[in-house]
Amino acid sequence: AQSVTQLDSQVPVFEEAPVELRCNYSSSVSVYLFWYVQYPNQGLQLLLKYLSGSTLVKSINGFEAEFNKSQTSFHLRKPSVHISDTAEYFCAVSDQGGGTSYGKLTFGQGTILTVHP
Amino acid sequence: SAVISQKPSRDICQRGTSLTIQCQVDSQVTMMFWYRQQPGQSLTLIATANQGSEATYESGFVIDKFPISRPNLTFSTLTVSNMSPEDSSIYLCSVPRDRGFGELFFGEGSRLTVL
Repeated sequence: AQSVTQLDSQVPVFEEAPVELRCNYSSSVSVYLFWYVQYPNQGLQLLLKYLSGSTLVKSINGFEAEFNKSQTSFHLRKPSVHISDTAEYFCAVSDQGGGTSYGKLTFGQGTILTVHP
Repeated sequence: SAVISQKPSRDICQRGTSLTIQCQVDSQVTMMFWYRQQPGQSLTLIATANQGSEATYESGFVIDKFPISRPNLTFSTLTVSNMSPEDSSIYLCSVPRDRGFGELFFGEGSRLTVL
């Protein structure tokens, strides 16, 4: 069984400020890690993912997340946010083992990021 | 990437009625998943829709309440039966990215409000 905890339900920041959205997970097996984003009135989109290799992964719009196995964390960061980053962000994990777990994601509770001018 | 269309996008329903949500994918996929997002909560997997066989339900979800059809590799329906206000949620259809290691594509969701 897996669980994902997003420590902040809401994060308000001013434009151009840095932001960190925290995510911790618990799992008895190895997992893949994801951040999904849901912009207002839109569906979920994949923001970035960690499958293997370098523990630091980056998105095309300036977000990055670092997999820390010892702390079982996958925090999302951006050095300077824009108004357009206002959205709800979900951390998720999936079982690396596949089989009956294939495609099943366990999500965190979501963090609403609000960027103020 | 897969394009997923859901209908209806939103609806307001009366207690005790049932509503069927449709999910259409622009490519053939082996597995389709139905998730629920209750207000202020995270997404929870309801079931896996398998083509040619019965859906596989997660703990806490039963076929009588959430019957699922999967007539072909591009289409699925989820019915929310005998609705109560607690069923007010966003229901999302999703499909895995081919060899995507668990990565999913999601539809825009169907927002149901039960009065």
